Amino acid sequence: AQSVSQHNHHVILSEAASLELGCNYSYGGTVNLFWYVQYPGQHLQLLLKYFSGDPLVKGIKGFEAEFIKSKFSFNLRKPSVQWSDTAEYFCAVILTGGFKTIFGAGTRLFVKA
Amino acid sequence: DVKVTQSSRYLVKRTGEKVFLECVQDMDHENMFWYRQDPGLGLRLIYFSYDVKMKEKGDIPEGYSVSREKKERFSLILESASTNQTSMYLCASSLSPGFSNQPQHFGDGTRLSIL
Repeated sequence: AQSVSQHNHHVILSEAASLELGCNYSYGGTVNLFWYVQYPGQHLQLLLKYFSGDPLVKGIKGFEAEFIKSKFSFNLRKPSVQWSDTAEYFCAVILTGGFKTIFGAGTRLFVKA
Repeated sequence: DVKVTQSSRYLVKRTGEKVFLECVQDMDHENMFWYRQDPGLGLRLIYFSYDVKMKEKGDIPEGYSVSREKKERFSLILESASTNQTSMYLCASSLSPGFSNQPQHFGDGTRLSIL
C-alpha cells in the first residue's frame, strides 16, 4: 500500500535556524506532491506543490521543497525560520489521475523566539 | 477564495447517539472528503465523494456513513457514537480527478468528544 513517511514528529528550533523536514513516499508511479501547514487554531492550508518540471519548487512564506525522484523524497526547507512558523506540517501525495491523497503523520515545529 | 464550512467547531455527544457533522463548500468542487486527525497519525480518510450521491470508502469507514444529496454539501454520520470516535474531523474539497494536481481545501475542523 502507498504510504508517506515524515521522519520527525517534533522539531524545536530557535529563530533564524535553518529548517529541513523530511518526507518519503512509497509509490513508484507518477505522483503529485504537496506540503500543507496547519497553524495553531487554523485550518490546513497549502504551502507548496509539485506536479512536473523544475524539481525545486517555491511556496509561500519563503518555504521551498525539492523533489528527488530517485530517493522518493520531497523534503521541505526554509533557510531561516521565524517564530510565526510554529505549526504542524503535513506532506501529502496523490497519484496522478487519482482521487485519494495520502498524508504523512505530520511534523510539529516549534520555533523559540 | 474557496470556503469550506463545517457546521460546528466543538461538539460533545454521548455514547450511542447518532451524530451528524455537516460540511458545505462554495466553489462547485466535485470531490469532497472526510478525514479524522489524531496526534501522531496524521489525516486518515474516512469517506470521499466524487459526485452527488456517489461515495467511496476510505481507509477507516467502520462506524461511519456519509450522505451527499447536493453538490455543495457532504455529511458525515456516526451511526452509534463510541468513545474511540473522539477526534478532530476535517472536511475538504477539490476539483475533479482530471485535475489531480489540484490541492484540497479544508474546513476549520470539528472537535468531537464522545462521553
